[in-house]
Amino acid sequence: DMKVTQMPRYLIKRMGENVLLECGQDMSHETMYWYRQDPGLGLQLIYISYDVDSNSEGDIPKGYRVSRKKREHFSLILDSAKTNQTSVYFCASSLSQYEQYFGPGTRLTVL
Amino acid sequence: GDSVTQTEGQVALSEEDFLTIHCNYSASGYPTLFWYVQYPGEGPQLLFRASRDKEKGSSRGFEATYDKGTTSFHLRKASVQESDSAVYYCALSDRNYAQGLTFGLGTRVSVFP
Repeated sequence: DMKVTQMPRYLIKRMGENVLLECGQDMSHETMYWYRQDPGLGLQLIYISYDVDSNSEGDIPKGYRVSRKKREHFSLILDSAKTNQTSVYFCASSLSQYEQYFGPGTRLTVL
Repeated sequence: GDSVTQTEGQVALSEEDFLTIHCNYSASGYPTLFWYVQYPGEGPQLLFRASRDKEKGSSRGFEATYDKGTTSFHLRKASVQESDSAVYYCALSDRNYAQGLTFGLGTRVSVFP
């Protein structure tokens, strides 16, 4: 059963705190992604990972960093979170150009 | 850069109505086109895709035809049900899938009994 998991599902942080969002996949996909979803802006690509320790900026990487030490895990890190980083974050993985598998999302609120 | 435009932001329908969501794209290459559907509390999931001009993608009664001439990939369904209420995203992948997908802004479809 192909699956992408995300933890936590909901998170409330204060401005300036550090945030760690975790993503896992059980499909051995090499490529993984982080997107954020905002009303009126759709889904925007933050970072891409091609494999362990091989990461690339997406369209909106500012304020974020990522870590991928195992193929099945991909983390999104916000150092000193800002209120404008309140959003729903989606992780995805893919094996080919034909489909990306998305996780259920993490709703982050930064107060 | 690449872009996807969905004309309708929200659509409200009654059951058994005909649904059309317009999607136009702009890409430098020959992209693969996708329709994704997102239900409340879930991530987007692939509805179907098309990779060549005139190719028709279809799933669960939804269909769309890749039209390179008009750079369009309009989503249609002949008779919607309340369970089709969701947000629909048109997306494209241009040449290198590892660059991620470019999504439209999404269309919220609400179907009323």
